This record gives sequence, C-alpha cells and structure tokens, in this order.
Amino acid sequence: DTGVSQNPRHKITKRGQNVTFRCDPISEHNRLYWYRQTLGQGPEFLTYFQNEAQLEKSRLLSDRFSAERPKGSFSTLEIQRTEQGDSAMYLCASSLEGGYGYTFGSGTRLTVV
Amino acid sequence: SQELEQSPQSLIVQEGKNLTINCTSSKTLYGLYWYKQKYGEGLIFLMMLQKGGEEKSHEKITAKLDEKKQQSSLHITASQPSHAGTYLCGADMSYSGAGSYQLTFGKGTKLSVIP
Repeated sequence: DTGVSQNPRHKITKRGQNVTFRCDPISEHNRLYWYRQTLGQGPEFLTYFQNEAQLEKSRLLSDRFSAERPKGSFSTLEIQRTEQGDSAMYLCASSLEGGYGYTFGSGTRLTVV
Repeated sequence: SQELEQSPQSLIVQEGKNLTINCTSSKTLYGLYWYKQKYGEGLIFLMMLQKGGEEKSHEKITAKLDEKKQQSSLHITASQPSHAGTYLCGADMSYSGAGSYQLTFGKGTKLSVIP
C-alpha cells in the first residue's frame, strides 16, 4: 500500500460547474477525513467517516458540499455550483481508530475561474 | 483568535543551527500531531504525541508535549536544507471517548535553511 491517494491532483473548473474528487485511503484504515486548506492557513476539517458511516458533517462549508464513502473504502467529495471562493486545496486523510497512523494524501488543488 | 497558535510564523536559519517551533492552546490537547508540508503538496507525518510529558524523536527532530497537554514544541538539531518547509501542528481538542480525531491546525511555521 502506497499511502492515501487523491485524484485528480489539479482541477480547473468554471464557476457554476459541479466537481467531484476521489480519495483512496490506506486499506486497513477505517477512518477517512476531508479537509480544506487555503493559502497561508492550516487545513480546516470538513467531515469524516468511520467505515461507511459519516459521523460528522456539520462542518461542511455549505449544502453545496457533500461526501460519500459507499462501501467503507474510497470516498468522494462533491461540490455543486462551484464559486470562486471554493478555490483551495482539498486534502483527504485516513487513520485507524484512536487516530493512529493519521496520514494525508497529496491533495486536489481546485481552481474556479 | 486562533485555537492553536504556532510561533514563530516564519524562521530563517543558517545550516547547522538548532531551532524550536512552538504550538500552544488554551484547551487540553488530546492527540497532537506534527506534519511537514512543502509548497503545494500534502502533509507529511512527523510525530504523534498523546501523553503529558511525552517526548519522541526521529532522526534530528524531537517533539515534546508538556505535562498539562496544552503546549508542544518541535526541535530540530543541526538543521539542513532538506528541513526547509512549513511545519504544522494539528490537535484533537474535544475529548470524546475513543476520539473523533477531527484535527484543528495552527497556521504553520515556514522554515528556510540557508546553506
């Protein structure tokens, strides 16, 4: 296993379009997290899953943001009707329970034009 | 105000010098993580601390969590150009049994090492 994998690495989209990002966690990790990072800031927590259950989603930035982890393996983060303010790096992480092995992927950089 | 404060915001050191980065909170830290990030890339895990007074080392980097679990420091000995990057501390600040591990991050400390 080579770590947490995120695709695509970069995404440029026009304002108003929908985008979807994929995250493949470390296979034995049952927890998966999504974060957003803007320039000059630390990552900001968005949501997390334990297996296929989404245990926290109140920190998603608006109802345009949604995430799924249908079979408890990979996850997708979708942003509908993108806005310029959505431009950021979207990071995925995974861990075991207890936060052990908390590993981040390389991120997907979104640019909304 | 920021829940997790890092200091300094940036640091420029000569190669071979030692340096310390601090991460401070007004709340108890349950699980404190240090990461390194190169510009435009993901976070590279360095160390995880959980117990008050805990200290861990990896190569030339040492991290400590104070007894009160409200402050952590990262110390680099004999810095090298390969140490350059942004160092981020992240912490679980809400005790919930098994832990949610929703990490709150500081803004980071940007380290430059001059050869």
